[in-house]
Amino acid sequence: ETGVTQSPTHLIKTRGQQVTLRCSSQSGHNTVSWYQQALGQGPQFIFQYYREEENGRGNFPPRFSGLQFPNYSSELNVNALELDDSALYLCASSLAWDEQFFGPGTRLTVL
Amino acid sequence: EDKVVQSPLSLVVHEGDTVTLNCSYEVTNFRSLLWYKQEKKAPTFLFMLTSSGIEKKSGRLSSILDKKELFSILNITATQTGDSAVYLCAVAGAGSYQLTFGKGTKLSVIP
Repeated sequence: ETGVTQSPTHLIKTRGQQVTLRCSSQSGHNTVSWYQQALGQGPQFIFQYYREEENGRGNFPPRFSGLQFPNYSSELNVNALELDDSALYLCASSLAWDEQFFGPGTRLTVL
Repeated sequence: EDKVVQSPLSLVVHEGDTVTLNCSYEVTNFRSLLWYKQEKKAPTFLFMLTSSGIEKKSGRLSSILDKKELFSILNITATQTGDSAVYLCAVAGAGSYQLTFGKGTKLSVIP
């Protein structure tokens, strides 16, 4: 059974640029959630996708957008990057409602 | 707004000690509470609790939920250096797709 994978591992961007992060869900899981984790904080919910539809969204601006593909993999896109977007971005997949399994994350640095 | 408060925020113990980590929460229509261990990047699932008073155990770790007083504890007995990590508590409310996390408790186990 393959776990949740994310790419890239690290990324450095400058303010105003756009970034795409990728996530492959655990085998058999049809739901993907994205979280942002700033240093010293717990993960904050960005949004969730279920069968290619956005299923819920946290308190993040529209420049954070996403996609889920038929194979249940997912992308997180962030436009017009700001310094405060620097964080660890975590993807979690699940089959049931709550038992979410996390990937290793993408560390994004915005300069 | 759902809220999770963990205490203490950090803790240093010696190998062999027993520790208790606390998690209190406010959530609309509670559905479940989850504990995760985060060592470097990916939070690793430990427990999901939905019912009061039923202890969940896995090796030296155990957890219990009190839905009346709105808290949970995570116990680790006979701590080892490998238990050093940030322990995250999260809650899910009915009708919501997100997990709301606390800031975590950083546990350091010294030889």
